[in-house]
Amino acid sequence: EIVMTQSPATLSVSPGERATLSCRASQSVSSNLAWYQQKPGQAPRLLIHGASTRATDIPARFSGSGSGTEFTLTISSLQSEDFAVYYCQQYNNWPFFGGGTKVEIK
Amino acid sequence: QVQLVQSGAEVKKPGSSVKVSCKASGGTFSSYVISWVRQAPGQGLEWMGGIIPIFGTANYAQKFQGRVTISADESTSTAYMELSSLRSEDTAVYYCARVAGVTTFYDAFDIWGQGTMVTVSS
Repeated sequence: EIVMTQSPATLSVSPGERATLSCRASQSVSSNLAWYQQKPGQAPRLLIHGASTRATDIPARFSGSGSGTEFTLTISSLQSEDFAVYYCQQYNNWPFFGGGTKVEIK
Repeated sequence: QVQLVQSGAEVKKPGSSVKVSCKASGGTFSSYVISWVRQAPGQGLEWMGGIIPIFGTANYAQKFQGRVTISADESTSTAYMELSSLRSEDTAVYYCARVAGVTTFYDAFDIWGQGTMVTVSS
């Protein structure tokens, strides 16, 4: 089992600021890493796959980087609709998710 | 664009079973893995297993082996997840999700159902 660890658990950011979220895998997952956004009462939405490729219709302010065991999701300038919980997920093996990072308004 | 529409909320007694459906519309169904992911209240996401409808091949997370059965009906473009021996800890929202790559379990989940709340309570 590949354990995915996200940090921080909660990130307080002001609108317009940059947010940087981290995800670490317990062993290499190559670039087989996705990021999802989830708002209350909604299903997750795919943001990034292949560690750095934005999914369809995802704004350019979302970017992903990393490979192997260390990954980052950056939101360059937070908009009001970006306050949500973000999950990373590896699919190099059977899929496992990280515990999530909640991005809240500072 | 493919949409996944799930069945409605369920309330079950401990020890019973629940079967949740996930109907695909608007695109190809059989060649893509449909996975099931659950989320307990206030908790994260947990993969339970998935199926490739065209092959009828299902794979399950070790945690759920023996207790979950995932199936698919190609004629109606519907996938099913049945969980047995329910306990209170199974109270969660259950999502179906399509794996983006054709006939592979190893890709991101690009399309999600709306979720089905299953409550296990005596």
